[in-house]
Amino acid sequence: SQQGEEDPQALSIQEGENATMNCSYKTSINNLQWYRQNSGRGLVHLILIRSNEREKHSGRLRVTLDTSKKSSSLLITASRAADTASYFCAPSYFQGAQKLVFGQGTRLTINP
Amino acid sequence: EAQVTQNPRYLITVTGKKLTVTCSQNMNHEYMSWYRQDPGLGLRQIYYSMNVEVTDKGDVPEGYKVSRKEKRNFPLILESPSPNQTSLYFCASSLSGRPNVAQYFGPGTRLLVL
Repeated sequence: SQQGEEDPQALSIQEGENATMNCSYKTSINNLQWYRQNSGRGLVHLILIRSNEREKHSGRLRVTLDTSKKSSSLLITASRAADTASYFCAPSYFQGAQKLVFGQGTRLTINP
Repeated sequence: EAQVTQNPRYLITVTGKKLTVTCSQNMNHEYMSWYRQDPGLGLRQIYYSMNVEVTDKGDVPEGYKVSRKEKRNFPLILESPSPNQTSLYFCASSLSGRPNVAQYFGPGTRLLVL
């Protein structure tokens, strides 16, 4: 399967703590994208890391990519209640068009 | 405001009654796509379109049709819905179908087929 697999499936932390979630995939990629989905809503693009990049930052988000291990991690620092959501990694392949393959997601709960 | 809109947001229908879910984007994006989201299965791509009049099957196209007559619109058609098409549907668009481009998602359409 080309889809990414997130780990853990669920994560519960206290507000202010850091949250780390991981993604593994099986074949070579063009890039890997992370998306957030608030309950029952559409997905929101968070960050894109290209296959030749190792780390990328966006605000409180830090994404790493290790192509040798076929894995990525998303770190959210200083978590807030509004970060409660499901997070999906989407390895991206090019097959005539960019193809994103979503995993099951990590359900993150931030406790006040 | 740049956005992808879907209608309806919620729909209950019966087996066999044709329905259309509309999707529209105001960002002049070339690429549009439909996904369905089911518990335990994640998001799966149904169809995509690289540009006007160019559509192609995704991973789960059976039972669905699409058309792309205008750049901004990409309706999803269920000619004869069945209960296994009960799902949460998302439309997405991006500037192009080339790599390294983020996709923008609509708010979703929750469909129940009885």
